[in-house]
Amino acid sequence: QQQVKQSPQSLIVQKGGISIINCAYENTAFDYFPWYQQFPGKGPALLIAIRPDVSEKKEGRFTISFNKSAKQFSLHIMDSQPGDSATYFCAASMWGQNFVFGPGTRLSVLP
Amino acid sequence: DTEVTQTPKHLVMGMTNKKSLKCEQHMGHRAMYWYKQKAKKPPELMFVYSYEKLSINESVPSRFSPECPNSSLLNLHLHALQPEDSALYLCASSQVLSGTYNEQFFGPGTRLTVL
Repeated sequence: QQQVKQSPQSLIVQKGGISIINCAYENTAFDYFPWYQQFPGKGPALLIAIRPDVSEKKEGRFTISFNKSAKQFSLHIMDSQPGDSATYFCAASMWGQNFVFGPGTRLSVLP
Repeated sequence: DTEVTQTPKHLVMGMTNKKSLKCEQHMGHRAMYWYKQKAKKPPELMFVYSYEKLSINESVPSRFSPECPNSSLLNLHLHALQPEDSALYLCASSQVLSGTYNEQFFGPGTRLTVL
């Protein structure tokens, strides 16, 4: 119930393409869904986050789509750039506690 | 200042050594966290402090001892570690432990190697 599943494990995209990473959860008490970006040797950085009262949130080239009934959410990176190559983690929490990360997706954007 | 700083960046220690990791934030956050991250894995929560009091201990072995001397500082004292404890240790902070404003901000981590 506390688990967050994430797919794919790795993703290769051409420059300018769309990167899509999917996550799924079981616990309906989760109320906060952030995405983190992590470069090698660095700590995770908050990229974008959504709460279950909205179905989509967009910030620049990054969009979260949220499907409450399916208990799924996804990250779309438009016009992917080589600088976006990193590991992406989805996460979920309940009222700020019980913070759970997905296993991560390694994104490589080819020039 | 929107940064979480961690020192040292790298640490190599023997199994009999005692060392400490330090974390600092000046964002006025009242919740601070220690995570352990192994290669190609997500961060795993170890400890959470809320208003300088230990709120969560995720069954971490006693060879890891956290300390929160004030609202800006978080330490992790290490003693008699094992080689399998080698990992990236991440500190994070958030405005409060629970509620709406719970975005966590991570530091760059300390890369620990236990010989």
